Amino acid sequence: GAGVSQSPRYKVAKRGQDVALRCDPISGHVSLFWYQQALGQGPEFLTYFQNEAQLDKSGLPSDRFFAERPEGSVSTLKIQRTQQEDSAVYLCASSLEGFGTNEKLFFGSGTQLSVL
Amino acid sequence: GQNIDQPTEMTATEGAIVQINCTYQTSGFNGLFWYQQHAGEAPTFLSYNVLDGLEEKGRFSSFLSRSKGYSYLLLKELQMKDSASYLCSPGTYKYIFGTGTRLKVLA
Repeated sequence: GAGVSQSPRYKVAKRGQDVALRCDPISGHVSLFWYQQALGQGPEFLTYFQNEAQLDKSGLPSDRFFAERPEGSVSTLKIQRTQQEDSAVYLCASSLEGFGTNEKLFFGSGTQLSVL
Repeated sequence: GQNIDQPTEMTATEGAIVQINCTYQTSGFNGLFWYQQHAGEAPTFLSYNVLDGLEEKGRFSSFLSRSKGYSYLLLKELQMKDSASYLCSPGTYKYIFGTGTRLKVLA
């Protein structure tokens, strides 16, 4: 695709519900990142994939958060039993090359999650 | 550990010049990125410095001193559309970000 696509754009969940956020990176991009961005803050790293391999998940806040990229393209971030503190914008970004190549990121528009 | 420091907010007048500073302490440093983020939108790439010195790109320039762990973004001839957050991102494989500097450009 022309850019990184994320869906849904907005998601409202009741506390305790499970949610799934989708990211469709630029075709052929090896690296994929998920970030969480609270209002007025910079993006906080959650996890990193190189193709289908999840190389780093150290930023995931708890075991309620799970991400996958089974075929090395589309990725899903799943949050189980959502809590109010999970309310944030979830950004996905991709880059052409893999680990250590230090390339610019292309970001999606994000999913704004509101947990009531 | 990783630490990135930028001012939270800055205000400047249309047509003026503004310098946004960033200091960082990271491991595995490979260069420094600056991104622009308008409210409610995705960050977009502005500049990348891997060597010490100044990189100029139109109205925007970025400077890096690796030995000092310091960078700045210089915006000249400010326009109203430059009102946005500016994110400093030291290049490690995690691409971590500072909290961002919210720039307001006043008429």
